[in-house]
Amino acid sequence: DAKTTQPTSMDCAEGRAANLPCNHSTISGNEYVYWYRQIHSQGPQYIIHGLKNNETNEMASLIITEDRKSSTLILPHATLRDTAVYYCIVRVAASGTYKYIFGTGTRLKVLA
Amino acid sequence: GAVVSQHPSRVICKSGTSVKIECRSLDFQATTMFWYRQFPKQSLMLMATSNEGSKATYEQGVEKDKFLINHASLTLSTLTVTSAHPEDSSFYICSARDPRRSGETQYFGPGTRLLVL
Repeated sequence: DAKTTQPTSMDCAEGRAANLPCNHSTISGNEYVYWYRQIHSQGPQYIIHGLKNNETNEMASLIITEDRKSSTLILPHATLRDTAVYYCIVRVAASGTYKYIFGTGTRLKVLA
Repeated sequence: GAVVSQHPSRVICKSGTSVKIECRSLDFQATTMFWYRQFPKQSLMLMATSNEGSKATYEQGVEKDKFLINHASLTLSTLTVTSAHPEDSSFYICSARDPRRSGETQYFGPGTRLLVL
């Protein structure tokens, strides 16, 4: 089972910030949180990942709570092209390696 | 970010034939690659972990004799769907773990859409 929970869907007005929450209450101390998005009929696109500190790149910002049990992905100025399913992932250790288990993700719709 | 390619992007085949899908890491070496399957309106489901130079590790419920995985080099993994049937029609996506990145981030290919008639 996925180690994260996310809201099923969200709407955001174009030009506004989109804040996508994720709960990962069972995360262990050395595990990263990864965010990807999937636009229809494409492979998931890497957005950002973090361990403890907040992270920012050209696509988004990642805010991780101090207890690391939840995080928020922020798209600062959402555009119509940001409409996609966003996945928050914490790796699962298995048989000497790590794997991603995808949850249902959040379907973000950016509205004009 | 790292680049992963897949070939073909889409394939149509007759029932009973075999189909091979290639996954390549273009600008890094990947000792570990992953194969996923995605049905319409569903999330990605991990099928197997592909390890360079050793046997793949399959997820529960995935038939290893039907979905043959070969990871013969550090930049190439192949998935062969043997004796394909219409229920194998799906979107197949690979990913490769980039060891250069913190947290060994996975990068995904664009996917291969398989239609079995």
